[in-house]
Amino acid sequence: AQTVTQSQPEMSVQEAETVTLSCTYDTSENNYYLFWYKQPPSRQMILVIRQEAYKQQNATENRFSVNFQKAAKSFSLKISDSQLGDTAMYFCAFMTYNAGNMLTFGGGTRLMVKP
Amino acid sequence: GAGVSQSPSNKVTEKGKDVELRCDPISGHTALYWYRQSLGQGLEFLIYFQGNSAPDKSGLPSDRFSAERTGGSVSTLTIQRTQQEDSAVYLCASSPATSGSGELFFGEGSRLTVL
Repeated sequence: AQTVTQSQPEMSVQEAETVTLSCTYDTSENNYYLFWYKQPPSRQMILVIRQEAYKQQNATENRFSVNFQKAAKSFSLKISDSQLGDTAMYFCAFMTYNAGNMLTFGGGTRLMVKP
Repeated sequence: GAGVSQSPSNKVTEKGKDVELRCDPISGHTALYWYRQSLGQGLEFLIYFQGNSAPDKSGLPSDRFSAERTGGSVSTLTIQRTQQEDSAVYLCASSPATSGSGELFFGEGSRLTVL
């Protein structure tokens, strides 16, 4: 079974600064995907960024980037130039190939961006 | 509609009553998922439907929980004889197919409070 751990229940950052959210996972699989999802106060979760395990290059999506360390089973999310709209819960998630989009989620990190 | 629609948005019920939560996925999406999010916690997988295949019910916490999906579209999650520990936000998500992309499209959830 896979597990996903987010060790930071809450974090805060000043607007325009950079913040990094941590995620570790445990699996015996070699082929898998990792994700960061964002859940704003409206409760509707949206996908922020995705990383395929076989790719060594870290995924980036505008102000969002990841630091994927496969050997260490670590997958952190960096948010640059933080904006007030980034205030949300952030969930790290894991999925094995051919798992039918079945995601295993971490416990989440609540991020507050302060003006 | 344009997105995943869930109803009711909020439901307050008394312990021992039955409740039904509805999910209307994005048109054309063949896969549908139910997750439960307890206060301040991550997402717990409940059940997964894919097309006409038998659903994956491995996440249902007890036999008081059941779900069905009619005509491959709308899904209803039923909780019988509700208990206070059932209080949570129930999230529904859909995806186009078992493409392995990992991108789920979530509704805003149904917040259930059991008094």
